[in-house]
Amino acid sequence: GESVGLHLPTLSVQEGDNSIINCAYSNSASDYFIWYKQESGKGPQFIIDIRSNMDKRQGQRVTVLLNKTVKHLSLQIAATQPGDSAVYFCAENEVNTGFQKLVFGTGTRLLVSP
Amino acid sequence: DAGVIQSPRHEVTEMGQEVTLRCKPISGHDYLFWYRQTMMRGLELLIYFNNNVPIDDSGMPEDRFSAKMPNASFSTLKIQPSEPRDSAVYFCASTLILTYGYTFGSGTRLTVV
Repeated sequence: GESVGLHLPTLSVQEGDNSIINCAYSNSASDYFIWYKQESGKGPQFIIDIRSNMDKRQGQRVTVLLNKTVKHLSLQIAATQPGDSAVYFCAENEVNTGFQKLVFGTGTRLLVSP
Repeated sequence: DAGVIQSPRHEVTEMGQEVTLRCKPISGHDYLFWYRQTMMRGLELLIYFNNNVPIDDSGMPEDRFSAKMPNASFSTLKIQPSEPRDSAVYFCASTLILTYGYTFGSGTRLTVV
């Protein structure tokens, strides 16, 4: 039979619009968060990170917001371009049983129309 | 630096055969990770090494999977015997500091028929 895969939420925007991608993380002890971009056929690529002692960090055209109260992370992309089309993953550095490791969310697909 | 280098890029094998995936991390990086990506389960951490020593292998699915890091510049992930459900893209990543962005390789797409 046909297998059912992960249903990736999709965000469709027009070129030039601002995009906001959201992520809920699971572990209140997580202290470090990263956003990755994955283009088709490639490995995840680091975009921006934020530590738990901050609530906002800005990069070039990207901003990450962290709300620890509700365990929510967002990635804002300004003036979205067709080259931004990709799957975006948030990742949390989860501290568990003495080990630290990056745990990835399921991802959001961003489609940018010219 | 050429980044994290994985080989082969694509591997097609028959069920029951042994498969070996290879990874060369970025020079100087102390941590190396093996991830598997599937449509069903997304990106899963299989195992990671620090200074060539396996630290957490709780993600390794079963005894058919094994990973080694004989030196700081080389790691292998072996599946023996392979099964169709092992079909996935396997990524290797490395980093200097654990709480820092990992650099991923381009992945090996494994198809077991």
